[in-house]
Amino acid sequence: EVQLVESGGGLVQPGGSLRLSCAASGFSFSGYWMHWVRQGPGKGLVWVSRVDSDGSRTSYADSVKGRFTIWRDNVKNMVYLQMNSLRAEDTGVYFCTRGGSGCFDEWGQGTLVTASS
Amino acid sequence: EIVLTQSPGTLSLSPGERATLSCRASRSTNYLAWYQQKPGQAPRLLIYGASSRATGIPDRFSGSGSGTDFTLTISRLEPEDFAVYYCQQYDTSTWTFGQGTKVEI
Repeated sequence: EVQLVESGGGLVQPGGSLRLSCAASGFSFSGYWMHWVRQGPGKGLVWVSRVDSDGSRTSYADSVKGRFTIWRDNVKNMVYLQMNSLRAEDTGVYFCTRGGSGCFDEWGQGTLVTASS
Repeated sequence: EIVLTQSPGTLSLSPGERATLSCRASRSTNYLAWYQQKPGQAPRLLIYGASSRATGIPDRFSGSGSGTDFTLTISRLEPEDFAVYYCQQYDTSTWTFGQGTKVEI
């Protein structure tokens, strides 16, 4: 069974930092791109970042470029998102997702990030 | 960036009825997917490649369309189908979602 389990969310002041982690199991992790997708309170889904299967290439939404960094550890089957200079608009549930054919075919349950003073 | 516009915003139907959801892209895309999300849950992939059902998805869900106009059809609504539905596209290392259609009783 495929499992994606996020952790690391919490309350942080604007301007602060947080690192999210995602533990993957039940599939050949090193064969898949991995992504983070977020959802603001009562809002829709927004793609945040992706890392390709060997970690050599990454991409980011314009709204987080220069502030967030994604990477992965194919030995530990983990993917991470370092979030710096957090803003109120970064608040939401962050989902770890597995990349399919141009889509997201498996999702974790999400971890809540709140940037507020 | 390709912008996806979903319509209608809300669809009010009864169990057993047919639901037709629309997703229009600002320019042509080859990768279009549909997701279902229920309150407090993660989204679930329903359709990828515009018309291919994901693993375990009932055949009452079907996707169609190409280029800029896409449709998700639920042939006969079951009580568990009342949820929010999102379309999503991929183009040149950018993934975008529509704003969602809520299917309510």
